[in-house]
Amino acid sequence: QQKVQQSPESLIVPEGAMTSLNCTFSDSASQYFAWYRQHSGKAPKALMSIFSNGEKEEGRFTIHLNKASLHFSLHIRDSQPSDSALYLCAASSGSWQLIFGSGTQLTVMP
Amino acid sequence: NSKVIQTPRYLVKGQGQKAKMRCIPEKGHPVVFWYQQNKNNEFKFLINFQNQEVLQQIDMTEKRFSAECPSNSPCSLEIQSSEAGDSALYLCASSPANTEVFFGKGTRLTVV
Repeated sequence: QQKVQQSPESLIVPEGAMTSLNCTFSDSASQYFAWYRQHSGKAPKALMSIFSNGEKEEGRFTIHLNKASLHFSLHIRDSQPSDSALYLCAASSGSWQLIFGSGTQLTVMP
Repeated sequence: NSKVIQTPRYLVKGQGQKAKMRCIPEKGHPVVFWYQQNKNNEFKFLINFQNQEVLQQIDMTEKRFSAECPSNSPCSLEIQSSEAGDSALYLCASSPANTEVFFGKGTRLTVV
């Protein structure tokens, strides 16, 4: 059974800082990896996803996947107060299941 | 914006009562998921469907919950006998494939 773990549980960074969020998974057969963002009181929404080893950059956000080490991460460059939210990582596990981590609560201080 | 529609947004039930919530997945998405998000924001997978068939479900869902996704009707998740520990946000999501899922706004259940 796929296990997905996130770190840290919470993070406070100043505006303009680089933020790094981490996620480990247990199923080496996973094929889809994603980060979701949930603002307070709202539904989670997909932020970025990746299928193969390496990096993908979209604006200030970069996702990095290393299947060999069962690890993927999200990096936010020039963090903004509007980035403050709960960040959830997710990894696929056979039978169309998407397993989520328990989340990292990010607060960006102005 | 997500087109997954969940009703009701809020549900209050007494212990032992049935609690039923509904979800209309996004059109054309064959896969539907139900998740439970507790007060600590932890996500728990409950069950998923491909078209009308159950793909996978956890033990808790099998024993105390009933769920279905009939064709041409909303999907539903029902707790047969609500317990205090069931108080949570229940999120429905749909997906076109084994990739991105699109969430509804959720049903917040409070069991008093």
